[in-house]
Amino acid sequence: GAVVSQHPSRVICKSGTSVKIECRSLDFQATTMFWYRQFPKKSLMLMATSNEGSKATYEQGVEKDKFLINHASLTLSTLTVTSAHPEDSSFYICSASDRVGNLLHSYTQYFGPGTRLTVL
Amino acid sequence: GNSVTQMEGPVTLSEEAFLTINCTYTATGYPSLFWYVQYPGEGLQLLLKATKADDKGSNKGFEATYRKETTSFHLEKGSVQVSDSAVYFCALRDSGAGSYQLTFGKGTKLSVIP
Repeated sequence: GAVVSQHPSRVICKSGTSVKIECRSLDFQATTMFWYRQFPKKSLMLMATSNEGSKATYEQGVEKDKFLINHASLTLSTLTVTSAHPEDSSFYICSASDRVGNLLHSYTQYFGPGTRLTVL
Repeated sequence: GNSVTQMEGPVTLSEEAFLTINCTYTATGYPSLFWYVQYPGEGLQLLLKATKADDKGSNKGFEATYRKETTSFHLEKGSVQVSDSAVYFCALRDSGAGSYQLTFGKGTKLSVIP
C-alpha cells in the first residue's frame, strides 16, 4: 500500500515552454502533498506544501508564479514549471501524506519516483 | 531550527562488510527520525523509522537506534550487499501538533563492490 506515482518520469522541453508534472496517490487519500527539488549530489529541497483544496505554501526563495502547484483532489497534485529555463533542469520529487484522525505518527510521507526535467 | 547532519560520502565497501552511516540531529522538540534510501534514478523509499527515544527501527537488515542523549540515529548493517548501493538520507520530523515537514540531511552515497 501507500504508492505514489509521478508522470512523466522524464521530460525534455525547450526553453520558454511550460511543463506539467503530475503526482498521484494510488491507494490512499493524500491530505497533504509536498514538492521537492533535488540538485545533483545534494539533499532534497522542499519547494512547497499543498493541502487539498487550498493554496500551496511555498518555501522562502521559491517563485510562486514560476512553480504553480495545484492540489485539486485528494489523490492528485500537479506542479507546472512555467516558462522553463535551463537552470530549472532538475529532479523533481513529490511526496504525499495521509492522515488518520489527528495522530501524529500517521503523518508519514510516501515519495514518488521523481521526474527528471531537462530544459534545452 | 531543525537540522540533520550526516557523515560525508561517498562510502565504498566490499560486499559483506559492516556499514555505519552516522547521523546527528538538532531539534527543538522530540522529533521522529527516519532513514530513506534512494536507488539510482529513483525517488526516495522509507527504509526505517523511530518515533521516540530508545526505539530501534529495522528493515532489510538495516537498523538504527534513536539516541536522545547523543541526538543520534546512526544507520548500521552487519553485512552489505551490492544491491545496497544507493544514497541514504537521514531525516527528522518535528513533534509539534500538525507538524509534517521533513528535514533531510545531505545524503550519503554508498557503493558496495563485489
